[in-house]
Amino acid sequence: GAGVSQTPSNKVTEKGKYVELRCDPISGHTALYWYRQSLGQGPEFLIYFQGTGAADDSGLPNDRFFAVRPEGSVSTLKIQRTERGDSAVYLCASSAISGSYNEQFFGPGTRLTVL
Amino acid sequence: SQQGEEDPQALSIQEGENATMNCSYKTSINNLQWYRQNSGRGLVHLILIRSNEREKHSGRLRVTLDTSKKSSSLLITASRAADTASYFCATDGSGIKAAGNKLTFGGGTRVLVKP
Repeated sequence: GAGVSQTPSNKVTEKGKYVELRCDPISGHTALYWYRQSLGQGPEFLIYFQGTGAADDSGLPNDRFFAVRPEGSVSTLKIQRTERGDSAVYLCASSAISGSYNEQFFGPGTRLTVL
Repeated sequence: SQQGEEDPQALSIQEGENATMNCSYKTSINNLQWYRQNSGRGLVHLILIRSNEREKHSGRLRVTLDTSKKSSSLLITASRAADTASYFCATDGSGIKAAGNKLTFGGGTRVLVKP
């Protein structure tokens, strides 16, 4: 079946602009995660949704970052007043909650470049 | 912050040789997962090992887990050029048998398999 998809695959923007990154999880997966990966490092957690609600947003770096999942499926990560330090690959993952397993399936990511 | 640390950071081997990489973590875990990433984009799930398991196999992959030492190893046998990628370990870090927990990744091991 279809995996996690993310759009756009690449986004170039100017400092101070607003951007939206979209994630389509695997159909039926109730959990959705956003991570950010800087060059040469492992992914770092940003926010986790269970259904429509943000169950854990402790990884969001500041109030310029916000994410929504209004219908419990597609999610949008929104970044206001972008800064050069926001440049990274933004990864989305989804999982089907089942017992104590937490296997997450990742999308291809959106590479954000802030000039 | 990243919980796990992979060792080595980079590994270069000849095709046909085995590749071994290690991961250490700091807090109690529910499970530990290994992922592969090509060209800095989406992560591919390789294997999940639960905290009460000590060893797991999947094809040419062998994973061990030592919770007393808070460490894991990933062995790729009979490596191929297509195994060239970055490999990351990830833990859920909660120690609570509840699904939906965020993953904490290490910095990764970059593996180069030369033909």
